[in-house]
Amino acid sequence: KNEVEQSPQNLTAQEGEFITINCSYSVGISALHWLQQHPGGGIVSLFMLSSGKKKHGRLIATINIQEKHSSLHITASHPRDSAVYICAVTNTGNQFYFGTGTSLTVIP
Amino acid sequence: GAGVSQSPRYKVAKRGQDVALRCDPISGHVSLFWYQQALGQGPEFLTYFQNEAQLDKSGLPSDRFFAERPEGSVSTLKIQRTQQEDSAVYLCASSAHREGETQYFGPGTRLLVL
Repeated sequence: KNEVEQSPQNLTAQEGEFITINCSYSVGISALHWLQQHPGGGIVSLFMLSSGKKKHGRLIATINIQEKHSSLHITASHPRDSAVYICAVTNTGNQFYFGTGTSLTVIP
Repeated sequence: GAGVSQSPRYKVAKRGQDVALRCDPISGHVSLFWYQQALGQGPEFLTYFQNEAQLDKSGLPSDRFFAERPEGSVSTLKIQRTQQEDSAVYLCASSAHREGETQYFGPGTRLLVL
């Protein structure tokens, strides 16, 4: 069983749609991270959060510690948002556990 | 540069060959991590350094994998007697301090073992 589960695995959306990617985890964490990986590119850290909600531009990340669940929302999606979005958690030993990622394609 | 850099970006090796992958973290970052990412999968933790100390190497898949960070800055991941299943992207990340810090990822080294 994976410590971090993401859904959906693949997502196709029309430009402008509101997108939600979900992440559930089973270990105790010190922080949860949302990462973005473009094809052939490196990984960019989008958010690190341990409670509540964070917003950056059109991206919003929320976390519910009690339910061990986080969501990444993209408002007014754009083709340049097409990428793999990865949820990762850090436990108190500073070890990372990664989800397998959600591949997002936004169609113009 | 201001970010994490890795070299080489691409490496093709014959099965059985030894390879060395280099990571230059952001200057002053205490923590350094290595990950392995197979095609279509999320990254998998390999090992973690705090300064020059290797605090966790539980993710290294076999004793053919060895990592070092002798002066607490640049790190090298060495794979001996490479096998085809070692083909993956090897990612390095660094963070300023310790637990739960934002990690900054390098571009990765894509290793192909033939």
